[in-house]
Amino acid sequence: DSGVTQTPKHLITATGQRVTLRCSPRSGDLSVYWYQQSLDQGLQFLIQYYNGEERAKGNILERFSAQQFPDLHSELNLSSLELGDSALYFCASSVGPRNEQYFGPGTRLTVT
Amino acid sequence: EDKVVQSPLSLVVHEGDTVTLNCSYEVTNFRSLLWYKQEKKAPTFLFMLTSSGIEKKSGRLSSILDKKELFSILNITATQTGDSAVYLCAVYNTNAGKSTFGDGTTLTVKP
Repeated sequence: DSGVTQTPKHLITATGQRVTLRCSPRSGDLSVYWYQQSLDQGLQFLIQYYNGEERAKGNILERFSAQQFPDLHSELNLSSLELGDSALYFCASSVGPRNEQYFGPGTRLTVT
Repeated sequence: EDKVVQSPLSLVVHEGDTVTLNCSYEVTNFRSLLWYKQEKKAPTFLFMLTSSGIEKKSGRLSSILDKKELFSILNITATQTGDSAVYLCAVYNTNAGKSTFGDGTTLTVKP
């Protein structure tokens, strides 16, 4: 157990819908990262927050947004969902941006 | 754009064999290289390497970084079936403030 929690574990929704994925980092970690992992692709970095501020952006679609709250938990919002958004979404946390990351168990999103 | 290439893509060995996994990178403002192991769940951290030529070791696993030639290797000796996993390499770009992951090497260890 990495100490990073993610909810929900599984999510099944229809195209066009909007969902919110939630992540609680390890105690003491200020950095939170979101990744997407599809079957045909590796781990794709989406976005990173450090102590509430956006720190780095990867290949995040405009339909996706995220934020980190004052209590350091983070949410990833996915809207206008498409079939291709079906994937495993991981949250990770670290003490700081330069440190090793600890991954949560992931949320498996299925868009039908 | 930062690039991390892992080889081989997949590898099948028998218990007791020694394996070497490779990771080469092209990253501006390199800060560190990290190895993760991913079984049927989330990646777990193995090593972080920041200095060239220094070996990091944990049991049967060891890793070394060559900053001049821009690559790292992960060695696993006396492999066990429990070593079967995808091994991911990631490189941290200190200016961009983000890590780039390779596509991973899938290791299968047969009894």
